[in-house]
Amino acid sequence: SAVISQKPSRDICQRGTSLTIQCQVDSQVTMMFWYRQQPGQSLTLIATANQGSEATYESGFVIDKFPISRPNLTFSTLTVSNMSPEDSSIYLCSVVLSLGTEAFFGQGTRLTVV
Amino acid sequence: TQLLEQSPQFLSIQEGENLTVYCNSSSVFSSLQWYRQEPGEGPVLLVTVVTGGEVKKLKRLTFQFGDARKDSSLHITAAQPGDTGLYLCAGRPGGTSYGKLTFGQGTILTVHP
Repeated sequence: SAVISQKPSRDICQRGTSLTIQCQVDSQVTMMFWYRQQPGQSLTLIATANQGSEATYESGFVIDKFPISRPNLTFSTLTVSNMSPEDSSIYLCSVVLSLGTEAFFGQGTRLTVV
Repeated sequence: TQLLEQSPQFLSIQEGENLTVYCNSSSVFSSLQWYRQEPGEGPVLLVTVVTGGEVKKLKRLTFQFGDARKDSSLHITAAQPGDTGLYLCAGRPGGTSYGKLTFGQGTILTVHP
């Protein structure tokens, strides 16, 4: 398994501002992902964070709104840019240790935009 | 895009009752995982099923993968209040999409004492 530390755990932000969420893993992992989840609902994949290159975004998500960095095999950031109340959600970091194995999740970042 | 239909969306039962959650798709998945999530936490993996027809048991939880690897079920026997939470099924498609998971809509289970 992997220990995933996600920061901040929650935040309340003003509309129009940006928030950067950090994900730190205690071991080198093959793949890292960012998901969004409305409370009590399922997870939607935002993008795959690629080490040393641009992230791969899912349909409906764009780099200008959700820039992602992954400078090494244990760390990634997700920025939610120019926030609006519709961005209020839980954002989750997920990792896969090696190809074909299970995914593990951070505890999530609960974002509220006012 | 491969979709997973999870049902029911909500389940409210009394302690001691049995329940089943279903996860269905028209697509084949190379594996399927079940997660449980509590408020303020990320999803925690319960089990992974890989082989068509596979059955796995985890104490009072029984997981089954359909023969065609398109559907799965989670059965809980004699539910307890500690089973309360959000249950999620997630499928991993075959091919090169390693690591990417498709999630069902989730089932919010409430077990009353």
